[in-house]
Amino acid sequence: DIVMTQSPESLAVSLGERATINCKSSQSVFYSSNSENCIAWYQQKPGQPPKLLIYRASARESGVPDRFSGGGSGTDFTLTISSLQAEDVALYYCQQYLSTPLTFGGGTKVDIK
Amino acid sequence: QITLKESGPTLVEPTQTLTLTCTLSGFSISTSGVAVAWIRQPPGKALEWLALIHWKGEERYSPSLQSRLTITKDSSKNQVVLTMTKMDPVDTATYYCAHRRGHHADYFDFWGQGTLVTVSS
Repeated sequence: DIVMTQSPESLAVSLGERATINCKSSQSVFYSSNSENCIAWYQQKPGQPPKLLIYRASARESGVPDRFSGGGSGTDFTLTISSLQAEDVALYYCQQYLSTPLTFGGGTKVDIK
Repeated sequence: QITLKESGPTLVEPTQTLTLTCTLSGFSISTSGVAVAWIRQPPGKALEWLALIHWKGEERYSPSLQSRLTITKDSSKNQVVLTMTKMDPVDTATYYCAHRRGHHADYFDFWGQGTLVTVSS
């Protein structure tokens, strides 16, 4: 199984400041056939299902604000919120989809400082 | 407009079998490339992928739970069903069904609202 490790577990950032979440996979999630890093990021607010933010490590889902960006390759990935807004308070999860079992990170809670 | 809706019991006794149904709307489980997964989340914990079924009927399971899980599809009703045997209190969780984006894209762009299943006697 590919183990996904997120850090930090939680972070508090001032409104308008940058928030960065890290996700590390236990092995490369690069799919050479289509040159894609098989990482997705989700946002989950209390009482709601997860919402897809990013796929292919850096492709933003339609309708997602451009303050959200994904980066990284191989085994190390980041989700960055460039200017934190109040509505971004949530849990964030990474997921690898290179191979089954599909696996998620442990989650990162983002709060306002 | 794609929607998914989970249904099933909210309370299950230990050792019983859980059956959950995901009713699909806005897409067909029979369409080439389509797949639907079940994912669960214990209270206050992370997401855990359980199983996935493709339009062709091909099934994939979490190895740690494979012996207890069965995922099936009913094309006539456009539903996906998950059964989990030998339920235990540690299986208490919100169970979600989710739509896979597409071929070689096993991430999930549409999710149901989830159904909380409590395992208790």
